[in-house]
Amino acid sequence: AQSVAQPEDQVNVAEGNPLTVKCTYSVSGNPYLFWYVQYPNRGLQFLLKYITGDNLVKGSYGFEAEFNKSQTSFHLKKPSALVSDSALYFCAVREAGYSTLTFGKGTMLLVSP
Amino acid sequence: DTAVSQTPKYLVTQMGNDKSIKCEQNLGHDTMYWYKQDSKKFLKIMFSYNNKELIINETVPNRFSPKSPDKAHLNLHINSLELGDSAVYFCASSQVETEQYFGPGTRLTVT
Repeated sequence: AQSVAQPEDQVNVAEGNPLTVKCTYSVSGNPYLFWYVQYPNRGLQFLLKYITGDNLVKGSYGFEAEFNKSQTSFHLKKPSALVSDSALYFCAVREAGYSTLTFGKGTMLLVSP
Repeated sequence: DTAVSQTPKYLVTQMGNDKSIKCEQNLGHDTMYWYKQDSKKFLKIMFSYNNKELIINETVPNRFSPKSPDKAHLNLHINSLELGDSAVYFCASSQVETEQYFGPGTRLTVT
């Protein structure tokens, strides 16, 4: 069975500071990992993914994520937060060869001016 | 030029009614999905179709029935609506083994 944990319900950061949103996963085989963002009353938008290759993945809007196999983590990062980054962020995992995508419970990111 | 579209955006109905939500994607993807997002924002897969064939059918009441007339469309029909069906329903699509693209959602309120 595959699962995802996002340990923080909310992350608060000041504009201009670096941000990290944490995600750990559990799968039997090789993981495919994804980050999505959801703005209020909107659908989920794809940010970035890790399938294979470099452990540091760059995505949309200046976000990046680091795949750490030994810690089974895939934390989302951004060097300098913007107020407009405030939204709900979801980490998701799918085991290679399987179709089902399992989402974490989401982490609300609040960036203060 | 919307990639994944859903209609209606809002749906308010009474218990016991039957309703449908439509989804269309113009991305040329082979696989389409329905998700339910509850009031706590938790997302759960309901169904998945690949080339009009059902490949995922999670534990969902049989009052929910997906229909895929072609690769670009996946509709969700719900019979005998209950209060607990109130949620936001998202359609998504993808190619095999790639990221999913989501529609804007349909907020269903059952009174």
